[in-house]
Amino acid sequence: DTAVSQTPKYLVTQMGNDKSIKCEQNLGHDTMYWYKQDSKKFLKIMFSYNNKELIINETVPNRFSPKSPDKAHLNLHINSLELGDSAVYFCASSQDLQYGYTFGSGTRLTVV
Amino acid sequence: KNEVEQSPQNLTAQEGEFITINCSYSVGISALHWLQQHPGGGIVSLFMLSSGKKKHGRLIATINIQEKHSSLHITASHPRDSAVYICAVNTGNQFYFGTGTSLTVIP
Repeated sequence: DTAVSQTPKYLVTQMGNDKSIKCEQNLGHDTMYWYKQDSKKFLKIMFSYNNKELIINETVPNRFSPKSPDKAHLNLHINSLELGDSAVYFCASSQDLQYGYTFGSGTRLTVV
Repeated sequence: KNEVEQSPQNLTAQEGEFITINCSYSVGISALHWLQQHPGGGIVSLFMLSSGKKKHGRLIATINIQEKHSSLHITASHPRDSAVYICAVNTGNQFYFGTGTSLTVIP
């Protein structure tokens, strides 16, 4: 069974569209994260949710909104997509901020 | 300047060689992580360190909190170790990532 699963794996969409990426973990972890990896392979944290509370919100555009319906899910909704949003987005989870974490396989978003 | 610096950026080694990747950071941390990203893109968490040394198979990670430095060692390297290795630090409420070290192990 996949511990952290993201869908879709690939997403190609036009500028201006609104899209969502879903993430689910079956590890019982308390904290879930969204990361963005740009074309230069540089990873940057976007959001973190702990027990459905937002605890990190890096300076990302407010077009990006995380939604956590429960502890096992953290979805990423993106409004008015721009070319610069093209990247690989990784979801991850951990038991708390001190322990190692488990990554999803990534969602490659291409905005055309 | 990035809060986390890794060296080298790129590394090519012959199979069997001992490999060291270095990570220096400039912030106070509660933990340091080593991640491995395979050519297919998947990311695996290798180690989480707050002090001392950890070993898993052929991989060894060390950290010196006073010097704000960590090293990842790979003994008896193998082509399947070819990947990007990323150092990340946790300050307690923020994460900072290094730009990664791309390792290629040649048979």
